[in-house]
Amino acid sequence: QKEVEQNSGPLSVPEGAIASLNCTYSDRGSQSFFWYRQYSGKSPELIMSIYSNGDKEDGRFTAQLNKASQYVSLLIRDSQPSDSATYLCAVHSDYKLSFGAGTTVTVRA
Amino acid sequence: EAGVAQSPRYKIIEKRQSVAFWCNPISGHATLYWYQQILGQGPKLLIQFQNNGVVDDSQLPKDRFSAERLKGVDSTLKIQPAKLEDSAVYLCASSPRGSPAGVTGELFFGEGSRLTVL
Repeated sequence: QKEVEQNSGPLSVPEGAIASLNCTYSDRGSQSFFWYRQYSGKSPELIMSIYSNGDKEDGRFTAQLNKASQYVSLLIRDSQPSDSATYLCAVHSDYKLSFGAGTTVTVRA
Repeated sequence: EAGVAQSPRYKIIEKRQSVAFWCNPISGHATLYWYQQILGQGPKLLIQFQNNGVVDDSQLPKDRFSAERLKGVDSTLKIQPAKLEDSAVYLCASSPRGSPAGVTGELFFGEGSRLTVL
């Protein structure tokens, strides 16, 4: 079983719509959860972090965490063409940050 | 503030040859990471240093890969001999915190070194 799994993509959404990305993790002791954005040919950059159950909003991004279900999600509201990228879920456990394979999002103008 | 520097950006070698990648982290960052990212996959941690000590190298193929962090600053990742499956982008990242780095999860990545093994 992979440590961090993300819903398979690619995900194509029209401009202005909501993009919903999902991630599950295997280590129940994981404490910190992150979403990174990676543009094609570029390095990952941190866009969201969440540490406790519930929702966390930052601009058009909302991260949701449910530790009981070992589930993390990212919502992108009012999607823009500039949001087209691969989104990586990362989970911290045992002093290590593990990444999922990523979900590629394409926003259609 | 200068970012994480990596070199070379691109390298093409034949299998069984050797290659070395260099990384200079952000000044003052205690923790340095090397990740391998194969096309279409997420980054996979190869080795994590805190200062000049190794925190985690459980996924480093030690029969062919080696890494060191000189004086707790620069780091070099070496592959010898290279295999076709080593073709990937090698990402160096640093973070200001000591272990556990995940307290903030904010890793600052370099541009990466793209390796093609023919």
